[in-house]
Amino acid sequence: AQTVTQSQPEMSVQEAETVTLSCTYDTSESNYYLFWYKQPPSRQMILVIRQEAYKQQNATENRFSVNFQKAAKSFSLKISDSQLGDTAMYFCAFMKKNTGNQFYFGTGTSLTVIP
Amino acid sequence: DTEVTQTPKHLVMGMTNKKSLKCEQHMGHRAMYWYKQKAKKPPELMFVYSYEKLSINESVPSRFSPECPNSSLLNLHLHALQPEDSALYLCASSQEEEAFFGQGTRLTVV
Repeated sequence: AQTVTQSQPEMSVQEAETVTLSCTYDTSESNYYLFWYKQPPSRQMILVIRQEAYKQQNATENRFSVNFQKAAKSFSLKISDSQLGDTAMYFCAFMKKNTGNQFYFGTGTSLTVIP
Repeated sequence: DTEVTQTPKHLVMGMTNKKSLKCEQHMGHRAMYWYKQKAKKPPELMFVYSYEKLSINESVPSRFSPECPNSSLLNLHLHALQPEDSALYLCASSQEEEAFFGQGTRLTVV
């Protein structure tokens, strides 16, 4: 079975500062994807960033980047130049390749950006 | 069009009512999902449809009945629900390695 752990239930960051959200996972699979999803108060789950396990290079999307440590099974999200619109729940998720896209979500981190 | 549209956005129903939640996508995705989400918790998978056939049922009570009339539509029929079924119900669709989520239906059972 796959498990995803987010050990920080709540975090806060000053506007324009940098914050890192932690995620660890446990799997015996070698071929999988990892994701960070954002869920603002509007409720919609929005994909922030995706990482394929076989790619060593860390994914980046504008102000968002990950630190993927495959051996340690760690997948942290760094948000640079935090903006008020980044306030949301952030879910780390794992998906085995070729399984009909069944996601395993972490428990979430509630991030508040302080003006 | 990268939208998954869910209706209604809010629903209040009594325990003896029958209602349906609807989900629609026009991205040509062949997999569609229903998730249940309680406040401050991650989404919990309920059902997966693949190529219009039910492929995963995560031991969901029979008072929830999914239906996939065609490749663009997914319904969730509700009957005789309990107050503990009150939650946000999210629909998603996917192709390859990315899932797109709708905004959800906030369901309250009274």
